[in-house]
Order: sequence, then C-alpha cells, then structure tokens
Amino acid sequence: DIQMTQSPSSLSASVGDRVTITCRASQSISYYLNWYQQKPGKAPKLLIYAASSLQSGVPSRFSGSGSGADFTLTISSLQPEDFATYYCQQSYSTPPITFGLGTRLEI
Amino acid sequence: QVQLVDSGGGLVKPGGSLRLSCAASGFTFRDYYMSWIRQAPGKGLECVSYISNSDSTIYYADSVRGRFTISRDNAKNSLFLQMSSLTAEDTAVYYCARVRFPHYDMDVWGPGTTVTVSS
Repeated sequence: DIQMTQSPSSLSASVGDRVTITCRASQSISYYLNWYQQKPGKAPKLLIYAASSLQSGVPSRFSGSGSGADFTLTISSLQPEDFATYYCQQSYSTPPITFGLGTRLEI
Repeated sequence: QVQLVDSGGGLVKPGGSLRLSCAASGFTFRDYYMSWIRQAPGKGLECVSYISNSDSTIYYADSVRGRFTISRDNAKNSLFLQMSSLTAEDTAVYYCARVRFPHYDMDVWGPGTTVTVSS
C-alpha cells in the first residue's frame, strides 16, 4: 500500500500568515492527490482534488501543487476560520484509498 | 440541495452487530461510488469500505474484511454498512461520503454517526 506522510504534524501560525503543508507519497502517485479540511466535531471538507484543482466554493486563498510524490497545500493569507486539521489522500493506487495522518493548524 | 445523512450508530457490546444507514438526496445516487470513512477518537481518517455505483466493485479495509458488509439500494437512494463481531477498535465516528471518479475524491459527506463498542 502507498503510505502518505504529512509534515509538519502540527503548526502554529497567525492570521494573515502564508502557510504551507507538505504531503509525500511512498511512491509516485502522478497527480492523484486530494486535500481535506476538518474542524472539530465536523465532517471533512474537500478543498483540492487532482493535486491542484480547487473544489467549487472553496476560497481562492487555498491552492495545491505538486506531482509525482511531493505535494503542497498553501493557504496564502490565513483567516480565523482556517484553523483546523488538514489531511491529504491518495487515489492513484486504489484500493485502498489512503489518507495522511493530518496536520493540525493552530493559532 | 446535495446531502447525505448517516444514522444508526450507538452503543454496542463487544461481539455485537450494528447497521449503519446513509440517506442521499439532491443528486443522482446511482451515478456515484459511495464510501464509509471512519475516525477513531483523536485519530485520523480511515476508508473502511467503498462500493461502485452498480455494486460490481466493493472494497474493504483489512481491518474490517469478513466482519463488515457494504450495500446500497439505488431505488431508495440509500447506502448501508452492516457491522458484526464488533470490537473496541471499531469505536469511531462513521461518515458516509460520495466518491467522484476518477480521482476518488470525496466531495459530499454526511455529518457522521458515532459507534461505541464497550461492555
């Protein structure tokens, strides 16, 4: 199975900061990488699919990049509502669908 | 609007069974793969099962294979997860989610239903 490693596991930042979260696959997954945001007590929300495509309704301050094995999620200017946990998910080699362990973004 | 509502969670004793349901609305249910994703307390996300739109493809995680059965009723816009031989390790919030092909991204999620396995 393909393993997904996210870094950092937690991150402290301030409103207005530019933040980058990294996800690395254990092998090349082309561009089959999705990003989710999860707030406490809520279901995950799809932010980015196919590595860099912005899901409808998601603010443009979120962006994704990368291909092969290395990917990044960037938030250009943090807003108060962005403090949450972020997960990457690979879909190149399915089954299984596998998620990273998450990055907790804190104030 | 496009919506999933999962239900059926609760407290069950080790070795017991439970059936989760997910009601879909606002989209053509039969056109989509569907999945069950779980999240143990304080942990990350795990895809435990998914099913193709025509039932021809079904996946189970190793952790649940042989104990859980996924099914769907396209006429009733419903997804199910029959869980048996439950253990404490199955304690989690279970989410149903719509899966988009070909990227297997999950763009619509239910609010989640909590399963607690405890004596």
